[in-house]
Formats: sequence, C-alpha cells, structure tokens
Amino acid sequence: GAGVSQTPSNKVTEKGKYVELRCDPISGHTALYWYRQSLGQGPEFLIYFQGTGAADDSGLPNDRFFAVRPEGSVSTLKIQRTERGDSAVYLCASRSSGGADTQYFGPGTRLTVL
Amino acid sequence: QKEVEQNSGPLSVPEGAIASLNCTYSDRGSQSFFWYRQYSGKSPELIMFIYSNGDKEDGRFTAQLNKASQYVSLLIRDSQPSDSATYLCAVNTKPTGANSKLTFGKGITLSVRP
Repeated sequence: GAGVSQTPSNKVTEKGKYVELRCDPISGHTALYWYRQSLGQGPEFLIYFQGTGAADDSGLPNDRFFAVRPEGSVSTLKIQRTERGDSAVYLCASRSSGGADTQYFGPGTRLTVL
Repeated sequence: QKEVEQNSGPLSVPEGAIASLNCTYSDRGSQSFFWYRQYSGKSPELIMFIYSNGDKEDGRFTAQLNKASQYVSLLIRDSQPSDSATYLCAVNTKPTGANSKLTFGKGITLSVRP
C-alpha cells in the first residue's frame, strides 16, 4: 500500500512569511508524529496526534508553530513568522494503534527560510 | 548529557567486515529501542527494534540490548557498500504498544569500502 506522503517536498520562503506543510499518513494509522531534522542531527520530536487530538505537543519550539489534524487523517504543520533558524527537513511519521511500535516516515519537506 | 548518545563515528569498514554501531541512553525507564537507516537525502527507514535484554538477529543485522548498562548496539555482518548510510538509534520510554515519541541520537555515518 501507499506509504506516508508529504507535500511540498521543498519549500523556500522569506523570513517572516507563513508556511504550511502537509502530511498524509498511511491509511488507517491513528497515530501521527511530526519531527524536525537539522543537518547532521537526528530527528527531533515536535508533536504527536492520536486521532484528531494532539496528545503531546511538548516538542513545539514556540507559539509560532502549530499543527492540526481535523479529521484524524491528514495533518498540517503551520509555521508563522518564519525565521532562518526554522530551516530544516520536517518529517512526518505514522503508526497503527497497538502492535509493534514501528513509526513509518514520509520523505520529508525541506524548508529553507531566506 | 544528551538523552541518546551516538559518539563513535564516522565509521569506515572494508566490504565483508563486521560493522559495530553503539548507542547509550540516559532514561532508565526506556522500554523499546530502534535502529533506523537513513541514506543521504532520504527519510529514516526502520531496520530493527528490540525490547528485551540480549540479542535479536534479522539476516545480517543483530541488535544487542543491555538495560543495566543502558546500552544498545547494532552489528552488521558481511558489510556491503549498499550499507553505507547514517544509522540512527532511537528510544521510546513507553511500554510496547503505547504511543509515544521517539528520541533519536544524532546518528553514525557508516562507509563500507569496496
């Protein structure tokens, strides 16, 4: 079946602009995660959804970052007033409820803030 | 001290050799442990997970876990040039089957020389 998909694959924006990054999880997966990966580092947790609700948003760096998952499937990560330090690859992962803990990652969105 | 540390890198081994990748973690409550492989410009791909002390083998890969020493490793036997990638160690502090974030190390870059 189809894996996790993310759009756009690349996003270049100017400092101060607003961006939205989209994640389409594996069909039927109830848990969805957002991570951010900077060059030379491992992925860093941002937020986790179980269904429609954010079960853990402790990784969001500040209130410029917000994410939604209104129907329990597709999720959108929203970044307001972007800063150059927001430049990174934003990864989305999903997993099914119960069973193994395996999280399946999407291809990521590379965000560049000029 | 970082929660998940991968300090032994980069690593270069000749084709056919055993590659040994190490990882330590700080949270004694950690329950499940994962090794992901990440090719340059690609997203992380799960190789193995391990929950119990001891060894777990899957083909050319063996994961080793020692909870008393807070240490997890990955051995790759008969290394191939296609194994050249960054290997990420990830830790989950929740019991198996319970949703939770993964905490990643920064990764170890492995190069297998033909």
